[in-house]
Amino acid sequence: EIVLTQSPATLSLSPGERVTLSCRASQNINNFLAWYQHKLGQAPTLLIYDAADRATGIPARFSGSGSGTDFTLTISSLEPEDFAVYYCQQRSKWPYTFGQGTKLEIK
Amino acid sequence: EVHLLESGGGLVQPGRSLRLSCATSGFTFDHYALHWVRQAPGKRLEWLSGISWNSATIGYADSVKGRFTISRDNAKNSLYLQMNSLRAEDTAMYYCVRDRHLTVAGTFDYWGQGTLVTVSS
Repeated sequence: EIVLTQSPATLSLSPGERVTLSCRASQNINNFLAWYQHKLGQAPTLLIYDAADRATGIPARFSGSGSGTDFTLTISSLEPEDFAVYYCQQRSKWPYTFGQGTKLEIK
Repeated sequence: EVHLLESGGGLVQPGRSLRLSCATSGFTFDHYALHWVRQAPGKRLEWLSGISWNSATIGYADSVKGRFTISRDNAKNSLYLQMNSLRAEDTAMYYCVRDRHLTVAGTFDYWGQGTLVTVSS
């Protein structure tokens, strides 16, 4: 199974700051990577699919990049509603797997 | 607006069975593959199973293969997960998830709120 490792585990930042989250795959997954935002008590939200494509209705401040084994999610300027847990997920091979998450908290 | 609503969770003893259901609305049900994903307390999200639009393609994670069965009823716009031989480690929030594609392609564009399953004696 493909293991996804996210870093860092937690980030403490202020609104308005720029942030980059990382996700590394244990083997080449081409561009078959998605990013999700998850807030406590809510359904997860798809942000980015196929490494760089923004999902419907997702603001332009969210962007994704990478291919092969190394991927990043960038939020250009943090809004108060962006503080949540972010997961990456690969769809290159079954079983589809998720990273352990990065928690973005308010400083 | 796309909606997925899970039901059927609850407290169940080890070794017993439970059937989860997912009622959907707001989209053409038989145009999309569907999945079940769970999250145990303190753990990462775990994909469990996926089913294509016509049920021709079905896949399972090793952790549930042989114990869980996914199915769908396109006439009722509903997805199901039959869970047998439940174990304590199956305790989790279970999410019904829509795929962006007809096939089990693995991009999860809409999620339900989840239903909690607790396996304990």
